[in-house]
Amino acid sequence: KAGVTQTPRYLIKTRGQQVTLSCSPISGHRSVSWYQQTPGQGLQFLFEYFSETQRNKGNFPGRFSGRQFSNSRSEMNVSTLELGDSALYLCASSLGVFGNQPQHFGDGTRLSIL
Amino acid sequence: DAKTTQPNSMESNEEEPVHLPCNHSTISGTDYIHWYRQLPSQGPEYVIHGLTSNVNNRMASLAIAEDRKSSTLILHRATLRDAAVYYCILRGGNAGNMLTFGGGTRLMVKP
Repeated sequence: KAGVTQTPRYLIKTRGQQVTLSCSPISGHRSVSWYQQTPGQGLQFLFEYFSETQRNKGNFPGRFSGRQFSNSRSEMNVSTLELGDSALYLCASSLGVFGNQPQHFGDGTRLSIL
Repeated sequence: DAKTTQPNSMESNEEEPVHLPCNHSTISGTDYIHWYRQLPSQGPEYVIHGLTSNVNNRMASLAIAEDRKSSTLILHRATLRDAAVYYCILRGGNAGNMLTFGGGTRLMVKP
């Protein structure tokens, strides 16, 4: 069974540009969540989608946005990139939204801002 | 979300059991206890979860205190591949998939 796939694995951008990251969940999973991981802040929740609807959003500026498609695939977009956006962006998928359902993570997209 | 407290780091010898503790004194009755681990250069990996009873799977065992204010992840025989950061996280029964990660415990395994 294929795991969570994130593309691209690595990305280099410059300040002011925008970027779109993609996540394909495990087949049959309807929930997708996004996280940002940095050495200073650790793993922080960005947002969560279920059946194309955003259910929760973390404490990030409006430059960070996302969406989920009818096939459960998800994208996140960061506009007007800043140096501080350099991070590992992780996607996780789950069957649903209940507390007894584990999340399965991809290996992330490492974004570097020059 | 209720908070969890874990030691920053622990050390173990290869092929010996490892007990990773987690305190969660403000846990609510509907919170599940989840454990994830993150190996270097990888995303977090689900390990195990439980509600009230002890749980076993092929990766580990989860021992939950009777009052549920603490739990212990047990790796029965540590291998070098088990060297990772281990996160103990509480999830509400119907709270969605927002995981709140703390600092976790960095497990070092000595050959």
